Amino acid sequence: GQSLEQPSEVTAVEGAIVQINCTYQTSGFYGLSWYQQHDGGAPTFLSYNALDGLEETGRFSSFLSRSDSYGYLLLQELQMKDSASYFCANNTDKLIFGTGTRLQVFP
Amino acid sequence: NAGVTQTPKFRVLKTGQSMTLLCAQDMNHEYMYWYRQDPGMGLRLIHYSVGEGTTAKGEVPDGYNVSRLKKQNFLLGLESAAPSQTSVYFCASSWGGSSYNEQFFGPGTRLTVL
Repeated sequence: GQSLEQPSEVTAVEGAIVQINCTYQTSGFYGLSWYQQHDGGAPTFLSYNALDGLEETGRFSSFLSRSDSYGYLLLQELQMKDSASYFCANNTDKLIFGTGTRLQVFP
Repeated sequence: NAGVTQTPKFRVLKTGQSMTLLCAQDMNHEYMYWYRQDPGMGLRLIHYSVGEGTTAKGEVPDGYNVSRLKKQNFLLGLESAAPSQTSVYFCASSWGGSSYNEQFFGPGTRLTVL
C-alpha cells in the first residue's frame, strides 16, 4: 500500500519561515509533488522533486530524501495569502495524495 | 484556453438517483483523473484514464463508473447515489504519468446526496 503522512496543522506569522514535512511509504516511487489548495478552491501545483535535494521556486522550496522516504516544503517570507492547505503527493502512474497540512498565517 | 472545466458546479440528489459529472480539458492531455475530497481530508482517486478509450480504478472506485470516449472528456457516473457519496469531486488532467505529471484541476463539483 501507499501512505503519505503530514502534520495536520501549522501556524506562523507573516514574514516567518515554515517547513511542512511529508513522510511516505510507497510501492513504486518516481518523485514527490506539492500542491496548494485554498479554502473552496482547487489544488494547484507548486513543485516536484524527482531527485534528492532542494528545488527552489521563488519563496517556495521543496526537498526530497529518497533514502529517508522524506520530503518537505519550505515557505519563506510568509504572506497572509499563503494560508491554505498543502498536500504532498507521490508520483507513480497517478498521484496519491497525503492527508494535507493546513497552514494559518497570522499578522 | 479554459483549462479544465467541470459541469455542474453544484448538485443535490436523493438517495438512489443517478447522475453524470462531465469533465472537459482543452490542453490535449492524455491522462485524466477523478478525485473526491471529503471535509478536512485529502484527495482520493476514484478512477483515471491514460488515454482515449481507457479507464482504470483508483483508490475508491466502488459506486462509480467512468467513460473516456473522447480525449478531451472524462465522465463520472453515479448509478445509484448514496449519502456516503456526498463530497466535492475534482477532475484533473496531465500530459502523462510516472516521472512528471503536473496535474491541472477543475473547479470542482459539490454534490450532496440526501
